[in-house]
Amino acid sequence: DGGITQSPKYLFRKEGQNVTLSCEQNLNHDAMYWYRQDPGQGLRLIYYSQIVNDFQKGDIAEGYSVSREKKESFPLTVTSAQKNPTAFYLCASSQLRQGASKQYFGPGTRLTVT
Amino acid sequence: QQPVQSPQAVILREGEDAVINCSSSKALYSVHWYRQKHGEAPVFLMILLKGGEQKGHEKISASFNEKKQQSSLYLTASQLSYSGTYFCGLMDSNYQLIWGAGTKLIIKP
Repeated sequence: DGGITQSPKYLFRKEGQNVTLSCEQNLNHDAMYWYRQDPGQGLRLIYYSQIVNDFQKGDIAEGYSVSREKKESFPLTVTSAQKNPTAFYLCASSQLRQGASKQYFGPGTRLTVT
Repeated sequence: QQPVQSPQAVILREGEDAVINCSSSKALYSVHWYRQKHGEAPVFLMILLKGGEQKGHEKISASFNEKKQQSSLYLTASQLSYSGTYFCGLMDSNYQLIWGAGTKLIIKP
């Protein structure tokens, strides 16, 4: 079955620690995205990548870092510089077709930092 | 700029209809609609690519008015399974989706 996997589903960390969230897709999509969602809010773009070894900042990139060493993988690191990291994190991927690029989402990782 | 969705929330009885609007101050090239259940990832509903286009999926349909820079999602004879938060997204030239804040739909039996 093709799809996007994110792990873990729930993650707990102490303040001051870096944490890496995994995202893998086997859809052969060129583009991958990381979103953050706070309770009762919409999705905000953190980073996106359209090609291996290249990525762009989204609206709220501060305190986060990513890498895209392989087409199928796009891990997100939440660093200790992120002031309010507790949130629901969603990874998505899509083909690169202007307008018609439907995004496929992983199940999400709920991060709690105390 | 973030599209504006209205209403923010709506409560319906099963079998009633609802309309959710999405408008933008910028020209629209395509409009995407997704539904998200609590604690889950958004699920794709449909994309409208050009002005005047209308699409339907079961009893959920949408229209896209390019001149008014607006799209509307229509839910007919709502079912309990339609509950969730509906998001519209506008695609920009960098293949990024700019998401609305969402419309929460509650269906009561």
